[in-house]
Amino acid sequence: SAVISQKPSRDICQRGTSLTIQCQVDSQVTMMFWYRQQPGQSLTLIATANQGSEATYESGFVIDKFPISRPNLTFSTLTVSNMSPEDSSIYLCSVSPGQGRYTFGSGTRLTVV
Amino acid sequence: GDSVTQMEGPVTLSEEAFLTINCTYTATGYPSLFWYVQYPGEGLQLLLKATKADDKGSNKGFEATYRKETTSFHLEKGSVQVSDSAVYFCALSDSNNDMRFGAGTRLTVKP
Repeated sequence: SAVISQKPSRDICQRGTSLTIQCQVDSQVTMMFWYRQQPGQSLTLIATANQGSEATYESGFVIDKFPISRPNLTFSTLTVSNMSPEDSSIYLCSVSPGQGRYTFGSGTRLTVV
Repeated sequence: GDSVTQMEGPVTLSEEAFLTINCTYTATGYPSLFWYVQYPGEGLQLLLKATKADDKGSNKGFEATYRKETTSFHLEKGSVQVSDSAVYFCALSDSNNDMRFGAGTRLTVKP
């Protein structure tokens, strides 16, 4: 199965700033997903990022707040823009190499102060 | 849209007790079903999965059977250990290959 390197693993950021999270996959995958896990909550899909097309955002998430890049089949970034304390969460990327298999990154624990 | 509903926690059991965590789903198509586990301080790990009706997923003594007639995928283990203490997420993969997660069930196993 695919192996994902996600970084940073954690960060503490000032409100009003932006943080870019990177996910590198060790194989080419068409579909990549970004999730948020707020404290004590389940995972919520932010957007789906397919190479060569604009990311598709779920209800409640917008591109201005969470811009995503997908320059090739092994890499993606998620930026959390103009952060506020409510953005403090764990952010995870995930890939689906196909055949019902999914792999998750180790997560980025973000604290906004 | 597709969704997953799982038993609310927290669940506290004694070691060697029987575990059931209920999970039901709503889907328009034929989703694949998953159980993920998140140990304290760690990321998500796939525990088991089933891709079609009547499939049984199993791993580490945990089992779940894909029941199309009851739209369920309940997680069971015959004898839990302290090391099984974690948060368990039921999930489905919908027609767009997006994962939909349940709310998570925190399990604590006491010695």
